[in-house]
Amino acid sequence: KAGVTQTPRYLIKTRGQQVTLSCSPISGHRSVSWYQQTPGQGLQFLFEYFSETQRNKGNFPGRFSGRQFSNSRSEMNVSTLELGDSALYLCASSPRSGDPKAFFGQGTRLTVV
Amino acid sequence: AQKVTQAQTEISVVEKEDVTLDCVYETRDTTYYLFWYKQPPSGELVFLIRRNSFDEQNEISGRYSWNFQKSTSSFNFTITASQVVDSAVYFCALSGNQAGTALIFGKGTTLSVSS
Repeated sequence: KAGVTQTPRYLIKTRGQQVTLSCSPISGHRSVSWYQQTPGQGLQFLFEYFSETQRNKGNFPGRFSGRQFSNSRSEMNVSTLELGDSALYLCASSPRSGDPKAFFGQGTRLTVV
Repeated sequence: AQKVTQAQTEISVVEKEDVTLDCVYETRDTTYYLFWYKQPPSGELVFLIRRNSFDEQNEISGRYSWNFQKSTSSFNFTITASQVVDSAVYFCALSGNQAGTALIFGKGTTLSVSS
């Protein structure tokens, strides 16, 4: 069974640009969550999607958004990038919403210059 | 509020030593889950164990063991006879009703095992 796949693995963007990250969950998993990992703040929850609906949201500004497609794949978008958005963005999948056992992808490392 | 504290930022041991990683949590939920994840340099978070709040039995899996004590709100992780491949960042995490479906992570403990 394939694991969680995140693309791209690395990104370099310029301040002010926007970026879209993609996550394909484990086959059969319908819940996708996103986390931001930085050296200063550690791992922080961004949001969770289940059945194409956002179920839970962390404490991040509206520049961070996401969506989920009918095949459970999810995208995360960050608009008007700031230097502080440089981070490792991790996606996790679970069979269903509320299932706390999450499996993580390798992440997308975003660098904003 | 929910919180996970991993007081040990970095630990260095020599191969074959035993090492314990500490985790202390705070929650007002009566039902919650505790986790340990391993993050190697590749970046992926590797699931190690999940424990629910009603199951205080200790668990052993090969060289890994976990000690869950609700009385002290601790969920410590011990690696017996450590190996170089155990070198990674280890995260303790909590999931409960207050946070919805989110995992609340500690800051992590970097374990370095030298040969």
